[in-house]
Amino acid sequence: GDSVTQMEGPVTLSEEAFLTINCTYTATGYPSLFWYVQYPGEGLQLLLKATKADDKGSNKGFEATYRKETTSFHLEKGSVQVSDSAVYFCALARSGGYNKLIFGAGTRLAVHP
Amino acid sequence: NAGVTQTPKFQVLKTGQSMTLQCAQDMNHNSMYWYRQDPGMGLRLIYYSASEGTTDKGEVPNGYNVSRLNKREFSLRLESAAPSQTSVYFCASSGGGLEKLFFGSGTQLSVL
Repeated sequence: GDSVTQMEGPVTLSEEAFLTINCTYTATGYPSLFWYVQYPGEGLQLLLKATKADDKGSNKGFEATYRKETTSFHLEKGSVQVSDSAVYFCALARSGGYNKLIFGAGTRLAVHP
Repeated sequence: NAGVTQTPKFQVLKTGQSMTLQCAQDMNHNSMYWYRQDPGMGLRLIYYSASEGTTDKGEVPNGYNVSRLNKREFSLRLESAAPSQTSVYFCASSGGGLEKLFFGSGTQLSVL
C-alpha cells in the first residue's frame, strides 16, 4: 500500500546551517505531497505542498521539489534558525481528499545557537 | 480566530473507563478528522466526517466511536479505555478535498 518514509531524527544543527530532511514515498497514481511542521505543544501546520511532478513548494525559506523519478520530496532550507526547531512530517494524499492522507513518522529538528 | 479547539488537553484514565474528547471548529469547514499520534508512527486517521451527518472509519477505528453533532463539533468517544489507546489525539478540519488541513493543539491521553 501507499507509504511515506522519512529520515530518522533527531537532526541537530547549529544556527545558519543547511538543512535537508529526506522523504521518499510509495504510491499508486499521482499523489499530492506535503510537509507539515509541529512546534512544541501545538498541532500540525501545513508548511508547503506540491500537487504534481516537478512542482516546487516553498514557504518561510523552506523548499521541496516533487521528484517522480526518484519518488522523493526532500525538505531543504539554506540557513536554519533556532525558531525552526520542531518536528517535520512528510505526507501524501491520494485522490479523494484528506481522508486519504498518509503521514511519515516525523523527523525532529533541534537547532542550537 | 480560535480555529480548532480541543478539550481536554490532558487526561489520565484507568483501564475500562470511558471518556469523550471534544472538538469544535469555527471556520465553517465541512470536513473534520480525528488522528492519533504515536512515537515513530506519524499520525494515523481514526475516523473522519466529510460533512455534517456523515462519519466514516479511518485506518485505526477499533475501540472508538464518533459523533458529528453539528457542522462545528466532532467528538471522539472511548467506551472502554485500554492501555493501547495511550496516545496524543488530534482533531483537524478542512474545507474539503485537498484544501489546507487545520489542526487543534491535541489531547494527551494516558490509560493506566
